[in-house]
Amino acid sequence: SQQGEEDPQALSIQEGENATMNCSYKTSINNLQWYRQNSGRGLVHLILIRSNEREKHSGRLRVTLDTSKKSSSLLITASRAADTASYFCATVFGTSGSRLTFGEGTQLTVNP
Amino acid sequence: KAGVTQTPRYLIKTRGQQVTLSCSPISGHRSVSWYQQTPGQGLQFLFEYFSETQRNKGNFPGRFSGRQFSNSRSEMNVSTLELGDSALYLCASSLARVRGEQFFGPGTRLTVL
Repeated sequence: SQQGEEDPQALSIQEGENATMNCSYKTSINNLQWYRQNSGRGLVHLILIRSNEREKHSGRLRVTLDTSKKSSSLLITASRAADTASYFCATVFGTSGSRLTFGEGTQLTVNP
Repeated sequence: KAGVTQTPRYLIKTRGQQVTLSCSPISGHRSVSWYQQTPGQGLQFLFEYFSETQRNKGNFPGRFSGRQFSNSRSEMNVSTLELGDSALYLCASSLARVRGEQFFGPGTRLTVL
């Protein structure tokens, strides 16, 4: 089964609003990554947070990681219509090499 | 620097046939991974190659196989295709096995009729 579960499965907001997506996982990780996918195309890496980090920022993105709760959240501030996409969290385990285990994804729709 | 390229982009096959998909990683990247994406199962790991050696394998039947060449290009093969093999197959490359970010290609959309 998938390692991660994401919620919500779908999120619809207006431009300018913030979007928050959550991800939970089941076992200890080396790091957690967030990816974006537009309409069934390839995935684009957004941000990586290591297991010893609690928060990370990149532009309008803010990621938090709570290893005690085995959960992470991705916040997109001041959303734009171009942010409309599916967002996936992916975890990497200590012995899994580069293998990514993906969550189910959140479909974000930003309405202009 | 050119991104990850995958060929072909679209493919239609019939049940029982076999298919070979190709992936060219970013120059200098030695790790190549393959993923299958379907509406029902989501994104699932197929295998990872590093320096021509398979280092990780997902939970897929033996009909799914792959290889990596000395120039890091990789191919995956699916034999005896089934309807359920219809999916988007994504290839990703990374610099080394440092568990960092991966760079994905646009995918090959395989339809099995």
